[in-house]
Amino acid sequence: AQKVTQAQTEISVVEKEDVTLDCVYETRDTTYYLFWYKQPPSGELVFLIRRNSFDEQNEISGRYSWNFQKSTSSFNFTITASQVVDSAVYFCALSDINNDMRFGAGTRLTVKP
Amino acid sequence: DGGITQSPKYLFRKEGQNVTLSCEQNLNHDAMYWYRQDPGQGLRLIYYSQIVNDFQKGDIAEGYSVSREKKESFPLTVTSAQKNPTAFYLCASSIFGQGWMNTEAFFGQGTRLTVV
Repeated sequence: AQKVTQAQTEISVVEKEDVTLDCVYETRDTTYYLFWYKQPPSGELVFLIRRNSFDEQNEISGRYSWNFQKSTSSFNFTITASQVVDSAVYFCALSDINNDMRFGAGTRLTVKP
Repeated sequence: DGGITQSPKYLFRKEGQNVTLSCEQNLNHDAMYWYRQDPGQGLRLIYYSQIVNDFQKGDIAEGYSVSREKKESFPLTVTSAQKNPTAFYLCASSIFGQGWMNTEAFFGQGTRLTVV
């Protein structure tokens, strides 16, 4: 069975600090997909990034960057120069080729001014 | 605009009553999902459906039922058998493809169900 672990329940930083959210996954599949979602207080999940299991290139999008390492089954998310608007719950998710998508427990990020 | 609509946003139910949560999408997505969110536990999969007239149980299907008679609709019924139904329920959809065609899931705004 697939499993996603986000060991950090809550993180609090001061604005402009860098912060890394950890994600470790378990799967027996060779083909799978990894995702990060942001859940602001409104409740709706906002898609941030998708990665397939054969693409280990790291990605940077503005202040966001992602580090995918199959050797450690990790897909970590870093926010550089955090801002108050980054405060939210962030979820890591894993999907197999049958679209069975499982989420981690989420990490609540609070960015203080 | 294309998207996923969940209704109602807030729902109150008396113990022992069944209640149905609505989820409609106009994205022409094949796959649809229902998740339950409790504080500190993230999202847990209740049911998902890859195509019309087909669905699979997720991790916590007991006490819930679904139907997928139309591509755009995936209603969730919370039955009286569900012991602790108070939670935030999220519906999602995605393109169902083979291999590389899988895409991210798009989510509705959720329904907060409270049992009184």
